[in-house]
Amino acid sequence: AQSVTQPDIHITVSEGASLELRCNYSYGATPYLFWYVQSPGQGLQLLLKYFSGDTLVQGIKGFEAEFKRSQSSFNLRKPSVHWSDAAEYFCAVNSGGSNYKLTFGKGTLLTVNP
Amino acid sequence: DVKVTQSSRYLVKRTGEKVFLECVQDMDHENMFWYRQDPGLGLRLIYFSYDVKMKEKGDIPEGYSVSREKKERFSLILESASTNQTSMYLCASSHQGALQTFGSGTRLTVV
Repeated sequence: AQSVTQPDIHITVSEGASLELRCNYSYGATPYLFWYVQSPGQGLQLLLKYFSGDTLVQGIKGFEAEFKRSQSSFNLRKPSVHWSDAAEYFCAVNSGGSNYKLTFGKGTLLTVNP
Repeated sequence: DVKVTQSSRYLVKRTGEKVFLECVQDMDHENMFWYRQDPGLGLRLIYFSYDVKMKEKGDIPEGYSVSREKKERFSLILESASTNQTSMYLCASSHQGALQTFGSGTRLTVV
């Protein structure tokens, strides 16, 4: 069964600093990978996705993520964090094909200090 | 853009009540999903549906049922609400694949 691990429950960064949120997955083949963001009291918004091809994917709000097969990782990065990036971030994996289901990590809460 | 609308943002219900959570999507998506979200546990899939009147159990279906009579609407039913069902409930939909669009959520409190 597929699984997702987000090792960091809570990360605090200063505004303007760089950010990397970690995500590791467990799945035999190449999965479909996603990052979602959730602002307080809101639903989830898709930041970016990886299905195939270029392993560095660009998303909205200046985020990017890199798929590394050898490390089973799909880490999310942003070069300069803004106060509005404070939110909870979820990594998710899908095994592809006719399986529509997503398996989510437990999330990383990002706090941004001024 | 696809819109997924959950009819209530906040609900307060009493223990033992029958509770209906409604979700509507406007882009003719085949697949619809119900999740619950709890602190430290992430999102857990309760049920999903891949077509009208079709449903499959997710990871935590106990205490819940669902109904999908029309393609655009997917209802989550708590037959007899209990306090351990106090949670944030999120609905999502997708078209023939894994890319899911989420509603804003319903925060349910059972007292």
